[in-house]
Amino acid sequence: GENVEQHPSTLSVQEGDSAVIKCTYSDSASNYFPWYKQELGKRPQLIIDIRSNVGEKKDQRIAVTLNKTAKHFSLHITETQPEDSAVYFCAASTNGANNLFFGTGTRLTVIP
Amino acid sequence: ETGVTQSPTHLIKTRGQQVTLRCSSQSGHNTVSWYQQALGQGPQFIFQYYREEENGRGNFPPRFSGLQFPNYSSELNVNALELDDSALYLCASSIKGGTFEQYFGPGTRLTVT
Repeated sequence: GENVEQHPSTLSVQEGDSAVIKCTYSDSASNYFPWYKQELGKRPQLIIDIRSNVGEKKDQRIAVTLNKTAKHFSLHITETQPEDSAVYFCAASTNGANNLFFGTGTRLTVIP
Repeated sequence: ETGVTQSPTHLIKTRGQQVTLRCSSQSGHNTVSWYQQALGQGPQFIFQYYREEENGRGNFPPRFSGLQFPNYSSELNVNALELDDSALYLCASSIKGGTFEQYFGPGTRLTVT
């Protein structure tokens, strides 16, 4: 089965700096890679996703990159704000609506 | 916020008891997936329902079972509760054969004592 590893487990950045979270996956059949943000006591919220037919996707301050050859993908948050503080999960799936395999999460703290 | 709802919000059960959790999917979504999220960990896939049938299952024992109804809502049933079943149970709705996104409900926090 698919195995998704995520690093780092915790990340602290100063407000305004960039944050990068990295994930690797094992199953070459995986073709959909979403990122979820989960604030304390709340549901995981889909913030950005990428399919295997593209290498990069941006949405305002958030971007995701995918390297299919190396089987890794990364989340980039620029100009971080205190409200970006949360736990971020990467995931991998075959064809999206099938089961998601999640990483172990990264707790991001943005220091004002 | 998504249109996915879950009930109840919190639940406390005793070891050996049975529990039923409920999920209403987002309008237009035909597929419901259930996940277990232990404290400090990522969600783990339990199973998925599509067209009222189980359509994939993770590494969970048969005492975890489910249903999907014609309106696409779903139930998760857990029999013979164990202490390790204490977790946040999340459902996610999606469109099989459509866009890839899965949207989560707020979850049910189950505590087994």
